[in-house]
Amino acid sequence: GAVVSQHPSWVICKSGTSVKIECRSLDFQATTMFWYRQFPKQSLMLMATSNEGSKATYEQGVEKDKFLINHASLTLSTLTVTSAHPEDSSFYICSYHPPGYNYGYTFGSGTRLTVV
Amino acid sequence: KQEVTQIPAALSVPEGENLVLNCSFTDSAIYNLQWFRQDPGKGLTSLLLIQSSQREQTSGRLNASLDKSSGRSTLYIAASQPGDSATYLCAVGTGANNLFFGTGTRLTVIP
Repeated sequence: GAVVSQHPSWVICKSGTSVKIECRSLDFQATTMFWYRQFPKQSLMLMATSNEGSKATYEQGVEKDKFLINHASLTLSTLTVTSAHPEDSSFYICSYHPPGYNYGYTFGSGTRLTVV
Repeated sequence: KQEVTQIPAALSVPEGENLVLNCSFTDSAIYNLQWFRQDPGKGLTSLLLIQSSQREQTSGRLNASLDKSSGRSTLYIAASQPGDSATYLCAVGTGANNLFFGTGTRLTVIP
């Protein structure tokens, strides 16, 4: 099945700095990747959909200038948290959904971001 | 908007017990429902995927059922083991681009 590699698995950064999270598709070409965020003891919430070669689609309430998404190739999607603040501390995870409805979603291993 | 609820939020059982986790959703117009396992600080591992036309799926000791009309799904775990301890998430697929997650059930299997 589809394998999604995500790193780093965890990162600690200072307020005001930027952090880049990468998601790579190892055995398939992903024209679309999904980025989720999960706060402690809460559901995963879709943040944005990255589209290869075009602009990402952001969910309502997600600041596109703060969460920069780049999907420059069919195997790599990145999420950059710019000017991070403590309230951005969360678990970020990417996902891929193979075309068609016969397949479920495959998720990366997630990135635990702590902003101090 | 689709809302997904999982009950109970936490569950502790002794090893060897059979158990049932519940998931309910408000909009029955779904494409599929997927059960995941999440270990602390880790990503999601897909356990079972049920298409909207299906009633159940089985994998080893796991059995998931789906009653779309009533907006319910259950995950049955037989002969639980300490290694089954994790948070179990159900997620409803309403289209190609979105998945609505429940808040999960944190399962602890006591040796």
